[in-house]
Amino acid sequence: EVLLVESGGGLVQPGRSLELSCAASGFIFRDFYMAWVRQAPKKGLEWVATISTSGTTTYYPDSVRGRFTISRDNAKNSLYLQMNSLKSEDTATYYCARRVRENYAHLAYWGLGTLVTVSS
Amino acid sequence: DIQMTQSPHSLSASLGENVSIECLASEGISNYLAWYQQKPGKSPQLLIYYVSRLQDGVPSRFSGSGSGTQYSLKINNMQPEDEGVYYCQQGYKYPLTFGSGTKLEIK
Repeated sequence: EVLLVESGGGLVQPGRSLELSCAASGFIFRDFYMAWVRQAPKKGLEWVATISTSGTTTYYPDSVRGRFTISRDNAKNSLYLQMNSLKSEDTATYYCARRVRENYAHLAYWGLGTLVTVSS
Repeated sequence: DIQMTQSPHSLSASLGENVSIECLASEGISNYLAWYQQKPGKSPQLLIYYVSRLQDGVPSRFSGSGSGTQYSLKINNMQPEDEGVYYCQQGYKYPLTFGSGTKLEIK
């Protein structure tokens, strides 16, 4: 069974940093692109970042590029999201997600999410 | 960026009714279109990807169709567990983008 468990969320002040983690199990982690998707309270889904299988290629929307960094440790079956210079608009539940299969940027498996609140 | 426009914003349907949700992309996305269902307090669930491929475990009453810029999700024989918010998502080009969601309720 595919399992994704996020951690690291919490309350953080504007301008500060936070790192999220996602522990993966139930599949060959190194074989799949991984992503982070967020959802602000009562709002829709927003893609945040994607990383290739080896970790050498990353993708971001303009809203977080330069502030967020996605990374992975294939030896530890773990995905990370380093978030710097946080803003109030970054407040959201952050989901770790796995692609359905190679060559399809659709997300078949999602964690339960971890809530990040950016507030003074 | 590719904009994904969903319609309707919300709808209500009776049990057993057939339901359709539309998604319009601002440019062609070569069938790289997925549909997700999200229930309150839960993570999104992939229903369909690449226009019409049913994800494992998803009931066959869900189906997808479309091409170019216009896509649709159809739910046959509406069931109580189908209540939720439905999102479309294009996987053709980065940045990946989602529609704004369609809230489906039982009438």
